Amino acid sequence: SQELEQSPQSLIVQEGKNLTINCTSSKTLYGLYWYKQKYGEGLIFLMMLQKGGEEKSHEKITAKLDEKKQQSSLHITASQPSHAGIYLCGADGGGSNYKLTFGKGTLLTVNP
Amino acid sequence: DGGITQSPKYLFRKEGQNVTLSCEQNLNHDAMYWYRQDPGQGLRLIYYSQIVNDFQKGDIAEGYSVSREKKESFPLTVTSAQKNPTAFYLCASRMQANHHVYGYTFGSGTRLTVV
Repeated sequence: SQELEQSPQSLIVQEGKNLTINCTSSKTLYGLYWYKQKYGEGLIFLMMLQKGGEEKSHEKITAKLDEKKQQSSLHITASQPSHAGIYLCGADGGGSNYKLTFGKGTLLTVNP
Repeated sequence: DGGITQSPKYLFRKEGQNVTLSCEQNLNHDAMYWYRQDPGQGLRLIYYSQIVNDFQKGDIAEGYSVSREKKESFPLTVTSAQKNPTAFYLCASRMQANHHVYGYTFGSGTRLTVV
């Protein structure tokens, strides 16, 4: 099965600082998803990437998928306390049996 | 509005008892999934179903059972054989058409505590 490694496991930043979270796959990624989660709640969809070299942005969050489709990064510009939470990357392995495999998540704390 | 409803939000059970977690969606999605989340473990796939009356084991299916009698519903039973059932359980669904991948929608979760 596909394995996803997220780094760092946790991150503490000062409000206004930029930060990057990485997600690396052991196999070629078919679809790469980024989600955000508040503790004890469901997952909020952020972005999905499919093509090598693809980059998407929403408000202050940018996600990229490398050309080889084995690594993705999530970049937050000028972080705010509202960005705090758990960020999870998930991946489809492709084929006819779609199922989403997740990394272990990155816990982000933004200090005001 | 369409979405996924998980109930209850909090559930307490005595050790040795079976318990069923509810997951209902009105998104007309074909596929449904159950995940378990433990601190520091991310989400791990328990069971998934791509069509009615069919389902497959995920990575940690032991001690769990599911059914998919209706498109809208995918209940998860945590049996007494599950050795460490206390966890946060998340249900998800996805539309599948012509092998194009659509986004996965998640419910708000059920926190199960076994005492």
